[in-house]
Amino acid sequence: RKEVEQDPGPFNVPEGATVAFNCTYSNSASQSFFWYRQDCRKEPKLLMSVYSSGNEDGRFTAQLNRASQYISLLIRDSKLSDSATYLCVVFSNDYKLSFGAGTTVTVRA
Amino acid sequence: EPEVTQTPSHQVTQMGQEVILRCVPISNHLYFYWYRQILGQKVEFLVSFYNNEISEKSEIFDDQFSVERPDGSNFTLKIRSTKLEDSAMYFCASGTGDMLGGEQYFGPGTRLTVT
Repeated sequence: RKEVEQDPGPFNVPEGATVAFNCTYSNSASQSFFWYRQDCRKEPKLLMSVYSSGNEDGRFTAQLNRASQYISLLIRDSKLSDSATYLCVVFSNDYKLSFGAGTTVTVRA
Repeated sequence: EPEVTQTPSHQVTQMGQEVILRCVPISNHLYFYWYRQILGQKVEFLVSFYNNEISEKSEIFDDQFSVERPDGSNFTLKIRSTKLEDSAMYFCASGTGDMLGGEQYFGPGTRLTVT
């Protein structure tokens, strides 16, 4: 089983729509969780850290479900500029940082 | 806004040659990282560096790889004898905290092509 799994998408949504997707992780001892975004052939950029209670940053909401070992990201009121690949990143207690392969989101006008 | 810089942006080398990839982390950051991303694949952690020594490394980071912070600003990744499968984008990152909780800021990457 992969350490971090993501639905690769693509999620193709109109502007203004809400899009949500999950990431599952295999190591129940994982401690920290992050969402990064990566534009084509560019570097990953931190979007948000994911806290156990869930957190919101503007149009973005992240949730963590430790019992089911998944993390979710929801984007409200999608903008064209939200088109990117979203990377789920998990840090485990063996000091291993694992990236998911990414979920591609395309927002169309 | 401070940023991580990397040079060169693209390096082409022949199999068996040594390459050194350079990074200048953000000046007040204490933790430094190297990652690689093979075209079309996921980002993979290589190594983390703190207090002038390696703190963690992955199974990818074998004896062919080494890192160094030769002065107060540069952070380098050396590949001693490149192989075709080393062709990838190499990202440097830096942060104020360790991987547990710190935000990481990535450089624009060096695309390494081994022929």
